[in-house]
Amino acid sequence: AQTVTQSQPEMSVQEAETVTLSCTYDTSESDYYLFWYKQPPSRQMILVIRQEAYKQQNATENRFSVNFQKAAKSFSLKISDSQLGDAAMYFCAYSFNKLIFGTGTLLAVQP
Amino acid sequence: DTAVSQTPKYLVTQMGNDKSIKCEQNLGHDTMYWYKQDSKKFLKIMFSYNNKELIINETVPNRFSPKSPDKAHLNLHINSLELGDSAVYFCASSQLPDRGGGYTFGSGTRLTVV
Repeated sequence: AQTVTQSQPEMSVQEAETVTLSCTYDTSESDYYLFWYKQPPSRQMILVIRQEAYKQQNATENRFSVNFQKAAKSFSLKISDSQLGDAAMYFCAYSFNKLIFGTGTLLAVQP
Repeated sequence: DTAVSQTPKYLVTQMGNDKSIKCEQNLGHDTMYWYKQDSKKFLKIMFSYNNKELIINETVPNRFSPKSPDKAHLNLHINSLELGDSAVYFCASSQLPDRGGGYTFGSGTRLTVV
């Protein structure tokens, strides 16, 4: 069965600094997708970044980038130049016809 | 233009009642889902419909019954509500087979059973 593990329940970062959120997953599939979703207090699920497993190049979206290590089944999210608006719950998710979520990391951004 | 819309956003009801949550998407996706987010923020899939056909039915009490009249709509009906049903329920849609287009979520329905 596919599983997604986020080992950091909470993280904190200073405004303008960089933070990395960890995620590991388990699957026997070779072609799948990985996502990071952000959930602010408004509870809306916002797609931050996506990675296709067959692409070796790490995805980037402005200040957000991933470190995808397929062999290690690791998919970490790096947020650069952290902003107050980045404070939220972040979910790592794996997709192979359905989306499976990790338990989330609550990110606080200190001014 | 809301891509995935759920109604109502909040629902407070008494134990034993029956309630429904409606979901509609205008993205042209062929697959829709219901997810439950519990008090610890854990998100778990409940059901998935592809072109009105049930394709995923996780271990969910049979008091929960999804209905998909067409591929743009997926409603969730809950019978005999229990305190443990209190949660946030999210509707989502995607296009299968998965081409990495991602899943679009509604804004969630917070169900409180008292």
